[in-house]
Amino acid sequence: AQRVTQPEKLLSVFKGAPVELKCNYSYSGSPELFWYVQYSRQRLQLLLRHISRESIKGFTADLNKGETSFHLKKPFAQEEDSAMYYCALIAGGSEKLVFGKGTKLTVNP
Amino acid sequence: EPEVTQTPSHQVTQMGQEVILRCVPISNHLYFYWYRQILGQKVEFLVSFYNNEISEKSEIFDDQFSVERPDGSNFTLKIRSTKLEDSAMYFCASSRTRLSEQYFGPGTRLTVT
Repeated sequence: AQRVTQPEKLLSVFKGAPVELKCNYSYSGSPELFWYVQYSRQRLQLLLRHISRESIKGFTADLNKGETSFHLKKPFAQEEDSAMYYCALIAGGSEKLVFGKGTKLTVNP
Repeated sequence: EPEVTQTPSHQVTQMGQEVILRCVPISNHLYFYWYRQILGQKVEFLVSFYNNEISEKSEIFDDQFSVERPDGSNFTLKIRSTKLEDSAMYFCASSRTRLSEQYFGPGTRLTVT
């Protein structure tokens, strides 16, 4: 079965500091991986997906198949990055997103 | 920019009652989904729907649940006889093609008393 693990429930950094939100997955094949973000009182929205290899709002994520990880990084955090971040995967010809429990990021001034 | 809408935003119902949660997907999208999130837990997939048929469903989606696209715009989730453990945030999502980005609605908070 597919599983996504986000080991940190809460993460707090200061503005301008680097931030890394961890995500590990378990799946024997090659999944498609996503980061979704939910800002306060807003809906879940796609931040980035690994196949697009884009940098969105300064965030990047690299798929490491050896470590089965897809960590989200940003070199200089901003206060507006404070939100709930969810790592998710789609695998095995399925259409369903499998989510992790999420990490609440707080960027302090 | 088009958005997925959901009504109501909050529904309170008594155990054993039927509820219908409504969603209006983005108009040119063809794939529709329901997810739920019990407080403090993961967002979980319930069902996907394409071409007026269920294309995939999870083990959570038992006989108490059903989905329907009654007209060209609405997509509904019915829970036939609610249980306390059905209390959760229910999210509708839609996508243009099968594996393209899923756009989420704001959610309906269902409280079963």
